[in-house]
Amino acid sequence: QVQLQESGPGLVKPSQTLSLTCGISGDSVSSKSATWNWIRQSPWRGLEWLGRTYYRSKWYNDSAVHVKSRIIINPDTSNNQFSLQLSSVTPEDTAVYFCARVGSTGTTVFDYWGQGILVTVAS
Amino acid sequence: SYVLTQPPSVSVAPGQTATITCGGNNIGTKSVHWYQQKPGQAPVLVVYHDSDRPSGIPERFSGSNSGDTATLIISRVEAGDEADYYCQVWDSSSDHDYVFGTGTKVTVL
Repeated sequence: QVQLQESGPGLVKPSQTLSLTCGISGDSVSSKSATWNWIRQSPWRGLEWLGRTYYRSKWYNDSAVHVKSRIIINPDTSNNQFSLQLSSVTPEDTAVYFCARVGSTGTTVFDYWGQGILVTVAS
Repeated sequence: SYVLTQPPSVSVAPGQTATITCGGNNIGTKSVHWYQQKPGQAPVLVVYHDSDRPSGIPERFSGSNSGDTATLIISRVEAGDEADYYCQVWDSSSDHDYVFGTGTKVTVL
């Protein structure tokens, strides 16, 4: 059974960098079939995919156009986890942040999700 | 950017059938997935690839997809089905690649 767990600060000041980690159990961040994703949810933007990292003989990253200049998603193979960094945050980045897995190459469904972590951007 | 439109709310009596629609341009050409989300919890996959069910999801949950509308049907609704439901597709031309619907609150009367 795959389990994902988000961790990180629940409060970030405007203009600073939001940093979260997603710990993985039951699968490997280096899986050649899965992708590892960050998704957020807010009342004003609903569910919103932010980006992903995945390994296919080398590491790849993709991100949503509107956060591409601010986002970094990195794998951490030593600890079997992956991270999210979102820079220059504003109150509009306040949301519940989820990590989620797409389990198989060629599929587009998020089959496992973390429980989510609320991040508030405020001074 | 690809947009998925759902009705904000659906109300249904226990034992009856809830029908939740997800509208998108030519959505019938895409693979649609449905998630159930209860308050304070993460979304849970209930239907994928238009009409397949993950293990552990009751047969009461079914889906279809054609034209500009995908549909999630919950038969013999139970109190425990009260939740928000979201459709989702992948669209490579979209700003987000993975696109979620606006969500439908199912209320069991």
